[in-house]
Amino acid sequence: EAGVAQSPRYKIIEKRQSVAFWCNPISGHATLYWYQQILGQGPKLLIQFQNNGVVDDSQLPKDRFSAERLKGVDSTLKIQPAKLEDSAVYLCASSLGEFDGYTFGSGTRLTVV
Amino acid sequence: AQSVAQPEDQVKVAEGNPLTVKCTYSVSGNPYLFWYVQYPNRGLQFLLKYITGDNLVKGSYGFEAEFNKSQTSFHLKKPSALVSDSALYFCAVRVRSGYSTLTFGKGTMLLVSP
Repeated sequence: EAGVAQSPRYKIIEKRQSVAFWCNPISGHATLYWYQQILGQGPKLLIQFQNNGVVDDSQLPKDRFSAERLKGVDSTLKIQPAKLEDSAVYLCASSLGEFDGYTFGSGTRLTVV
Repeated sequence: AQSVAQPEDQVKVAEGNPLTVKCTYSVSGNPYLFWYVQYPNRGLQFLLKYITGDNLVKGSYGFEAEFNKSQTSFHLKKPSALVSDSALYFCAVRVRSGYSTLTFGKGTMLLVSP
């Protein structure tokens, strides 16, 4: 089966600019997650979707981050405006159900300068 | 609140020797426990999980993990390490019932020397 696709792989932007990441989960996976992984730390959940509805966005900095999942398939994560501390790898993952193992994409490495 | 502790930032072993990567957890209720591995510039790959049943779980690439409820631990083990096992390993936990997200530890870098 095809894996979780993410793009772009790398992005360098200046602070206060905006950026968007895209994720295409495994076909049929109802649950989609966006994680932020700062260097030297474990991944931290930003937002979880079940189909196209938000299940958990309690750790999403909503003043600058937004995410959507159109038609319960692809998802985009946006940062506007970016701060230096947003430099991290943004991982998308999907699972068949809430209690199944997650399949992760390769991630997008964001550098804010 | 749920949490995971991986007490070692780095574990070094020689090829052919057994390896152990430690993990302890804290949850309110019964846990689901996972191990993931991350190679450079790659996403996390699933290794194994404990849901219920036998405390010794076998996973990919010869890895196994033992669930110890009394010690709230889920240590990752392999009888004979390979140089290619060198990577970053993450332990993760969630509660078994009700809504819960997967919480990851900070990771342990495993270095296997030839």
